[in-house]
Amino acid sequence: EAQVTQNPRYLITVTGKKLTVTCSQNMNHEYMSWYRQDPGLGLRQIYYSMNVEVTDKGDVPEGYKVSRKEKRNFPLILESPSPNQTSLYFCASSPRQTNEKLFFGSGTQLSVL
Amino acid sequence: QKEVEQDPGPLSVPEGAIVSLNCTYSNSAFQYFMWYRQYSRKGPELLMYTYSSGNKEDGRFTAQVDKSSKYISLFIRDSQPSDSATYLCAMSLNTGFQKLVFGTGTRLLVSP
Repeated sequence: EAQVTQNPRYLITVTGKKLTVTCSQNMNHEYMSWYRQDPGLGLRQIYYSMNVEVTDKGDVPEGYKVSRKEKRNFPLILESPSPNQTSLYFCASSPRQTNEKLFFGSGTQLSVL
Repeated sequence: QKEVEQDPGPLSVPEGAIVSLNCTYSNSAFQYFMWYRQYSRKGPELLMYTYSSGNKEDGRFTAQVDKSSKYISLFIRDSQPSDSATYLCAMSLNTGFQKLVFGTGTRLLVSP
């Protein structure tokens, strides 16, 4: 089954404790992206990647890191999480020529205490 | 002013009603318009995708784009309780790795 898999689904952590949210897609998509979704603000792009070893900042990149060492994986790293990073996070992927047609993962609800 | 405006709702309708969901936008250069549906505790899924102005129909769903008014709509005919979800509009300037701008979503509740 074609899918984007995120882990974990729920995560509670404390300020300053480094964490990684994993994302993997099995559709051989070139494009991958991370979004956060907050009430009243909608989906905002954090980082995106057009292919292996190619990443770029989205609208809200501060406090986040990403890497794209393999085509299928695009982990999101919070080196020193803060409470304002409490949010619902989504990973998404799409084929190269049609990045409007995003396939989303099921989300990771992160709470930073 | 946000680039894309969308009424958050909730919009409550009885089963069988015709639903109209709308977005307005400020950037007249947007050319690609999408509607995503998001069920509770799930990721958004693409519902409709249109290019430029005009209508596109898919079963009970019709997407309409009016570029002159900078206004897009999604119509749902014969609404069902399974249509209860949040509907996000999104748009982009061009295709191929172009940034998508999302609305904040309208929550729809269809009661039996």
